[in-house]
Amino acid sequence: DFVMTQSPDSLAVSLGERATIHCKSSQSVLDNSNNQNYLAWYQQKPGQPPKVLIYWASTRASGVPDRFFGSGSGTDFTLTITYLQAEDVGIYYCQQYYISPITFGQGTRLEIK
Amino acid sequence: QVQLVESGGGVVQPGRSLRLSCTASGFTFSNYGMHWVRQAPGKGLEWVAAIWYDGSKENFADSVKGRFTISRDNSKNTVWLQMDSLTAEDTAVYYCAAAYSAGWFDYWGQGTLVTVSS
Repeated sequence: DFVMTQSPDSLAVSLGERATIHCKSSQSVLDNSNNQNYLAWYQQKPGQPPKVLIYWASTRASGVPDRFFGSGSGTDFTLTITYLQAEDVGIYYCQQYYISPITFGQGTRLEIK
Repeated sequence: QVQLVESGGGVVQPGRSLRLSCTASGFTFSNYGMHWVRQAPGKGLEWVAAIWYDGSKENFADSVKGRFTISRDNSKNTVWLQMDSLTAEDTAVYYCAAAYSAGWFDYWGQGTLVTVSS
């Protein structure tokens, strides 16, 4: 199975500042035939289901603010949240869908400092 | 608007069975692969099972293979997860999720809690 490892496990960032979350895959999720990285990011707020933020490693889902930015390729990926807002508090997960079984990172808890 | 509504959760004894349902509305159900993802209390997300948009293929996590089955009826916009031989390790909130394309989850239900306990 592809193991997805996120870092850090938790972080606290001041309002208006930048938050950066890393995700590393045990194997590459880049498909060289279409040059796509099979990597998504989700946000889960307390008591709610996850919500997709980013797919194909860098494509924002519909309605997601452009403060959310996904980058990376192969095995190393980053989710950057600029101008942190209070509503961004939650747990963030990366997910690979390159190969079954689909696997998620362990999650990164984001709090306001 | 898009809705996925799960039902069928509850408290069940170890070794018993439970059947979860998920009914969709607000999107073309028959175009989407349907998945079940679970989340144990205070833990992260674990993919459990998937069924292709037309029901032609299924896939399971090793942790549930041979115990869980997944099925769908596109005329009823519904997907089911039949869970047999349940153990305490199956205790979780079970979400159904819809994936149109390669495998990210566009839509999620609110989840249904399954508690396996004697």
